[in-house]
Amino acid sequence: NAGVMQNPRHLVRRRGQEARLRCSPMKGHSHVYWYRQLPEEGLKFMVYLQKENIIDESGMPKERFSAEFPKEGPSILRIQQVVRGDSAAYFCASSPWRDEQYFGPGTRLTVT
Amino acid sequence: DAKTTQPNSMESNEEEPVHLPCNHSTISGTDYIHWYRQLPSQGPEYVIHGLTSNVNNRMASLAIAEDRKSSTLILHRATLRDAAVYYCILSDRDNYGQNFVFGPGTRLSVLP
Repeated sequence: NAGVMQNPRHLVRRRGQEARLRCSPMKGHSHVYWYRQLPEEGLKFMVYLQKENIIDESGMPKERFSAEFPKEGPSILRIQQVVRGDSAAYFCASSPWRDEQYFGPGTRLTVT
Repeated sequence: DAKTTQPNSMESNEEEPVHLPCNHSTISGTDYIHWYRQLPSQGPEYVIHGLTSNVNNRMASLAIAEDRKSSTLILHRATLRDAAVYYCILSDRDNYGQNFVFGPGTRLSVLP
């Protein structure tokens, strides 16, 4: 059973461009969480999704950030008009129910 | 969210046991205690979790105080690969799909 997959692993964007991060949960998992980790800091929750629904987006910045988890395909975290402060590691986690969360390897976003 | 406190850093010698403490004095009766660890440049990895009783698995043991206000993660024989940041996290078992709140964790160094 493959683990949580994230791609790309590294992403470089210039200020003002869009960043699109993908997360494929473990097989059979219908719950997806996104977290952000700034350099030398702990992980911060961003958004919790189930298939086709956003359940909790209380950690998501109000502007430029959006997330989706369509019926088919991976979950997508989209950051529009990136700024230098968006440079961070973005981790996705999945779980089958209200159980343990299994984390992916992360996408490291660098904004130049 | 219930809060946990952990020492910022700890050191251990290789092949010796390690006891990582966590205080959670405001824990509620329905809060699970989770431990995750994060190796350098990787996503968090599940270690162990428990509710009231002590727990053992192939990675570690979790000792939970009788009043549940503290717990200790025990690595029986530390290896160099155990050098990581260890996070102690609480989650409410009755709260559907609750996100994890990560603190700064304990940075464990293992000396050869």
